[in-house]
Amino acid sequence: KQEVTQIPAALSVPEGENLVLNCSFTDSAIYNLQWFRQDPGKGLTSLLLIQSSQREQTSGRLNASLDKSSGRSTLYIAASQPGDSATYLCAVDGGSEKLVFGKGTKLTVNP
Amino acid sequence: KAGVTQTPRYLIKTRGQQVTLSCSPISGHRSVSWYQQTPGQGLQFLFEYFSETQRNKGNFPGRFSGRQFSNSRSEMNVSTLELGDSALYLCASSMDGISGANVLTFGAGSRLTVL
Repeated sequence: KQEVTQIPAALSVPEGENLVLNCSFTDSAIYNLQWFRQDPGKGLTSLLLIQSSQREQTSGRLNASLDKSSGRSTLYIAASQPGDSATYLCAVDGGSEKLVFGKGTKLTVNP
Repeated sequence: KAGVTQTPRYLIKTRGQQVTLSCSPISGHRSVSWYQQTPGQGLQFLFEYFSETQRNKGNFPGRFSGRQFSNSRSEMNVSTLELGDSALYLCASSMDGISGANVLTFGAGSRLTVL
């Protein structure tokens, strides 16, 4: 059974810092891995999707890497801003449109 | 292009009642998935529908059911509500349901409170 773990559960940083969020998964047989953002009381916004054959994806200040063999992914956020404050969720797709989610990292960026 | 629309956004029910939630996927998307989000368990997969057929089901009791219509709109129903069913229910759609090929787009969710 696939299990996804995100560390840390919460993170508070000053504005402008570069930061890394971690995600690990137990079964490397995945189709892809997605990072989502969730604002309080809202749905999920997809940030980056990395196919199993890829090593990383970039979008603006965000960079996500994937190491299937070690069961790890990282989300790198450059020059953090208060607007980046949200919960970041990692999810792996093992097939059939079923995503297995981690419990998220709650990020607070202080002005 | 309209996103995934879920209704109602908020609702309050009492134990023993039943509830129906609705999800309208992005136009052209034929796969609809449902997830339950609670503070304790996080996001958990409920079921997925493609072309009116349930293809996958998560580990939830039979009180949780769903269906999909010919226009791809989907509904989920929870009968005999329990306090533990209080959660944010999220719907997601994707284009053709090919595993791993599609980005899931999520709706804003329906927040259910059971008293």
